[in-house]
Amino acid sequence: EPEVTQTPSHQVTQMGQEVILRCVPISNHLYFYWYRQILGQKVEFLVSFYNNEISEKSEIFDDQFSVERPDGSNFTLKIRSTKLEDSAMYFCASNFDRDTEAFFGQGTRLTVV
Amino acid sequence: AQTVTQSQPEMSVQEAETVTLSCTYDTSESDYYLFWYKQPPSRQMILVIRQEAYKQQNATENRFSVNFQKAAKSFSLKISDSQLGDAAMYFCACGSRLTFGEGTQLTVNP
Repeated sequence: EPEVTQTPSHQVTQMGQEVILRCVPISNHLYFYWYRQILGQKVEFLVSFYNNEISEKSEIFDDQFSVERPDGSNFTLKIRSTKLEDSAMYFCASNFDRDTEAFFGQGTRLTVV
Repeated sequence: AQTVTQSQPEMSVQEAETVTLSCTYDTSESDYYLFWYKQPPSRQMILVIRQEAYKQQNATENRFSVNFQKAAKSFSLKISDSQLGDAAMYFCACGSRLTFGEGTQLTVNP
């Protein structure tokens, strides 16, 4: 069964460093998403991406965040200068159509120290 | 804008019994979808059930069913014949960008 794959599963980084979280969505999917879940809290939408551009972003997705689909298979989330409060689980998701089931990856746990 | 509210932070149920998790939402979209996701301790997000708002009939998926009240903007999840493996955090979500509620932690007691 096709699945969304995220790497790494866990990343530890120092405050102020740049991190790139990687995702490989399901191959025939057209819509891609990043979500964040701070420990013990709800899952929060960050950004959606379609047709090689951001289609929607939340207020959380400020200038320190960026997304890219560099090669037609990977979908990355970059955090330019990490802060302690960026520590969270980051989920990538994809779907074929906006209103169909979004398949989630297993998440990347980011710890900023 | 969309909001999703789950008013039950924790629920518990005896194995083999039935439990209902509550969810209310608000959306400005005229046509939308509603979802229940399960998050076990592994933190994987797993779709449990999906409801299309334009459909009157409540969605059912094996032991999982919903009670969708569009006028009241209510979307509750019923789990029948609860199993130990159902223990997890359950999130209600709305819309194409998936606005999530705060979650309900379900405990299943043997």
